Amino acid sequence: EVQLVETGGGLIQPGGSLRLSCAASGFTVSSNYMSWVRQAPGKGLEWVSVIYSGGSTYYADSVKGRFTISRDNSKNTLYLQMNSLRAEDTAVYYCARIRRQHGGFDYWGQGTLVTVSS
Amino acid sequence: DIQMTQSPSSLSASVGDRVTITCQASQDISNYLNWYQQKPGKAPKLLIYDASNLETGVPSRFSGSGSGTDFTFTISSLQPEDIATYYCQQYDNLPFLTFGGGTKVEIK
Repeated sequence: EVQLVETGGGLIQPGGSLRLSCAASGFTVSSNYMSWVRQAPGKGLEWVSVIYSGGSTYYADSVKGRFTISRDNSKNTLYLQMNSLRAEDTAVYYCARIRRQHGGFDYWGQGTLVTVSS
Repeated sequence: DIQMTQSPSSLSASVGDRVTITCQASQDISNYLNWYQQKPGKAPKLLIYDASNLETGVPSRFSGSGSGTDFTFTISSLQPEDIATYYCQQYDNLPFLTFGGGTKVEIK
């Protein structure tokens, strides 16, 4: 059974850093396109970042230069390092697998809440 | 960037009604369009891929159509368990993916 479990969310002050983790089971992270998607409270979905199976990484303009996506193949885990956090980064962060054939997110984690506030 | 405009932003319908949601892309995206259902407090769920293909296990009352810039998502007979917010998502510009603003569906 495919499962994604995010951890690492919490309350952080503006300007701070946080690292989110997404542990996968039932498939191999390094063989897939893996992504982070966020949802601000009461708002819609926003794509944040993706890492391709070959290792290429891409970011939304809103987080470029501040967030870094990575993976640990030995742990079958995806990460999102978030630096210089802002109030507008407050959101539930989901990790999700992208099915290459149609660019859709076919498996999602339960989400982890990041709150940026002083 | 490709912008996705969904309408309406919310709707209220009775059980058994036919519900239609539209999604318009800011440029031609062929059929590179997916639809999701998100229930409160839960992660989104993929319902339809490539504009009109039903994901495995999704009830046949859900359907999608369209190509180019204009797309439609339909629930043929609204059920109480369909109360959710629905999102479209384009992947023509992979890896830069964008979602529509969402449509909240409620029971009248």
